[in-house]
Amino acid sequence: QKEVEQNSGPLSVPEGAIASLNCTYSDRGSQSFFWYRQYSGKSPELIMSIYSNGDKEDGRFTAQLNKASQYVSLLIRDSQPSDSATYLCAGRSNDYKLSFGAGTTVTVRA
Amino acid sequence: DTAVSQTPKYLVTQMGNDKSIKCEQNLGHDTMYWYKQDSKKFLKIMFSYNNKELIINETVPNRFSPKSPDKAHLNLHINSLELGDSAVYFCASSPGLAIDEQFFGPGTRLTVL
Repeated sequence: QKEVEQNSGPLSVPEGAIASLNCTYSDRGSQSFFWYRQYSGKSPELIMSIYSNGDKEDGRFTAQLNKASQYVSLLIRDSQPSDSATYLCAGRSNDYKLSFGAGTTVTVRA
Repeated sequence: DTAVSQTPKYLVTQMGNDKSIKCEQNLGHDTMYWYKQDSKKFLKIMFSYNNKELIINETVPNRFSPKSPDKAHLNLHINSLELGDSAVYFCASSPGLAIDEQFFGPGTRLTVL
């Protein structure tokens, strides 16, 4: 069983719409969660981190964490073509390991 | 002014060969990592070093051997390469073990023929 699972996508949204990405995790010991963005042929870059239940907003991005349901999500508001990328959800367990999901590829249609 | 650099960027080799990938970070970070990303984009931790000490050693074949000569460098040596080793290998660093943001290098695309 994979430790972190993402809705597999791909996800296609029109420009200006909201893109919604979901992730579940199996390790209840995981305390910290992250969303990385990876453009095709490039390396992952951190866009959001979240540590406590609730919402965290940063510009057009909102991360949500529900530890009881073991669920993490990322909303991208006012999606732009430059948001087209693969988004990787990751959780950090108590042994410092980051476990990544398989990623969701988002395409924003102009 | 590259933060995390890897060499080479591409590596094409025959089965059975031995190869190394080098990684350097100039961020002053204490912790470095090696990840493997397969063709399905699944990114998996292989090793982690903190101040030159091996901290994470995932279940990878012992043909893979990391070496950290100092905390700014983490190299990956692979013996007896197999077809299944073909992947993109990313080096990453973070300020410390419990500090969360990891900065990734550009990746090394390894192709084993």
